[in-house]
Amino acid sequence: EDQVTQSPEALRLQEGESSSLNCSYTVSGLRGLFWYRQDPGKGPEFLFTLYSAGEEKEKERLKATLTKKESFLHITAPKPEDSATYLCAVQAPATGFQKLVFGTGTRLLVSP
Amino acid sequence: GAGVSQSPSNKVTEKGKDVELRCDPISGHTALYWYRQSLGQGLEFLIYFQGNSAPDKSGLPSDRFSAERTGGSVSTLTIQRTQQEDSAVYLCASTAIGGGDTQYFGPGTRLTVL
Repeated sequence: EDQVTQSPEALRLQEGESSSLNCSYTVSGLRGLFWYRQDPGKGPEFLFTLYSAGEEKEKERLKATLTKKESFLHITAPKPEDSATYLCAVQAPATGFQKLVFGTGTRLLVSP
Repeated sequence: GAGVSQSPSNKVTEKGKDVELRCDPISGHTALYWYRQSLGQGLEFLIYFQGNSAPDKSGLPSDRFSAERTGGSVSTLTIQRTQQEDSAVYLCASTAIGGGDTQYFGPGTRLTVL
């Protein structure tokens, strides 16, 4: 069964304190790994898609990386506006190409 | 509109009542998905529509749940005889033609069953 595990469940950082969020996955034939940001009361906002091990993508203070077993979302010098829940999801043939299997997310709080 | 829209944003109902939730995907998007997000849990896939193909209903939790998509655009998720465990945020997403696999989400409908 395809599974996605995110850690930590919650993370509190001071402004400027860099850190990483982890997404471990167990799938049979990964088609794509997705990162989303979700603010309270809103739907998930797309950040990145990674397709193969070794791939990296960056957007402002965020950088996503992918290995054969996990993905990391690195946050460099975070600001309070980066506070949100970060969701990881995988798409794999076993689940049907169309479905996303989500982790439970990491709640990030960045204090000024 | 620029994004996926959903209505209502909030719905409070009594146990046993039927509810309808609406999703308007991004214009021109051929694929539409429904997910459910319960407190403390990850998003759970419910149903998927692609063009005129038969929908993938494999995620619907019971026969009280159904969905339709009219004219290849607007979709309605119906929950009959609601139960308290149906309380959750229901999210809709759509995918662009030739846009790869990226799913763009709406703001969700928060359903509370009393």
